[in-house]
Parts: sequence; structure tokens; C-alpha cells
Amino acid sequence: AQTVTQSQPEMSVQEAETVTLSCTYDTSENNYYLFWYKQPPSRQMILVIRQEAYKQQNATENRFSVNFQKAAKSFSLKISDSQLGDTAMYFCAFSFSGNTPLVFGKGTRLSVIA
Amino acid sequence: SAVISQKPSRDICQRGTSLTIQCQVDSQVTMMFWYRQQPGQSLTLIATANQGSEATYESGFVIDKFPISRPNLTFSTLTVSNMSPEDSSIYLCSVAGTGSTKNIQYFGAGTRLSVL
Repeated sequence: AQTVTQSQPEMSVQEAETVTLSCTYDTSENNYYLFWYKQPPSRQMILVIRQEAYKQQNATENRFSVNFQKAAKSFSLKISDSQLGDTAMYFCAFSFSGNTPLVFGKGTRLSVIA
Repeated sequence: SAVISQKPSRDICQRGTSLTIQCQVDSQVTMMFWYRQQPGQSLTLIATANQGSEATYESGFVIDKFPISRPNLTFSTLTVSNMSPEDSSIYLCSVAGTGSTKNIQYFGAGTRLSVL
């Protein structure tokens, strides 16, 4: 079975600074997808960024980027120029496709401090 | 992407009663997923709902407690039956997008359930 581990229950960062959230996963398969979702207090799950395992290039979405290390099974999220609105729970997740369920890590609570 | 309307957004219920949560999607989708998020926890899959067949439940979840209907390709319901305070959670449905987003899952806004 696939597992996702987030080892940082809580983190904080000063506004405008950069922070990196860690995620490791375990699978014996070669093709899969990795995601970071954000859950603000409103509880809506919002997709931040995704990475296809077959792509070597790290995904980037504006201030958000990932460091995908397939051999190490590591998938960290870097948030640059942190903003107060980035305060939320961040979940790392794994799936084989859109038609298979997501496996989530336990989450990292990020607080951005003014 | 996919737009999901989930209702109700929240409810407070008495123990022993049942609540039905609805998810309506703006496009036809094959699979719908139902997750539970207990307070302060991550998301756990309850079941996968495929139109035209019985839902597939994860270990620890049973059909008598969480019956699911999937009458068509755009709609599903999850019922939480004979509720107890331990059922107090956020319940979320999700579906995959289409086209270039077919491998991304999108979520409804969630239903916050409190059982007294």
C-alpha cells in the first residue's frame, strides 16, 4: 500500500520569506501523481501544485515550486515570498490517476507571521 | 477542472439520527470519492462510488453506517446513519477533472457535521 509522510506537524514563516514543507512517500510503482493541497480555515481543499512522476522537471506555479526527487521518494513544497493568505494546513497527496483515490499525509500547519 | 456543489455546508444533529450529504458535479464523471476528516486530522477515504454499481468501502467503513447512492454521472449522496458524537467530522466528496485535468481531483466545500 502507498503511504505519504509529512514529518513537520507545524511550521511558521515570516511574511515575504521562503519556507519549505517536506513530504516523503512510498510506492513500488513507477507511474503516479503527487499533489500539494491547501486547506484554509474555510476547510475548502485547494490544489496548490501537482507533479507527474514521469516528468523530471520540477513543477512551478507562481510562488509555489516543488523539489521532486523520484529515487529518494521525496516531494517538498517551497513557498516563496510568503503571504498572510498562505496560512493554512498543507497536505501532500499521492494517486495513480484521477480515477483512483488520493492517499494523504497527516498535514503541516503553516502560519505566516506579519 | 470540475465544480462540485456539496450540501449542506454544516449541520448539528442529535445522536441516533441520520444525515444525507449531497454532491452535484457540473460534468459527467466516472468515479466519485467520499472522504472523512476527523477534527485536527487528515483525510481518510470512506468509499469510492462508481455509477451503476455498489460503492466500494474502505476497511473500517460499512454500507449500513455510510450508505452511498450514485444514481447518475453527476450526482451522489452519502448518508451518515445512526449518528454518534464520534461521527462529528468534515465529510468531503471529490471527483477527477476532465481533459488536461483528468488526473487531478477536485473537492466539494465539505460538510461540517457535529453530533450532540
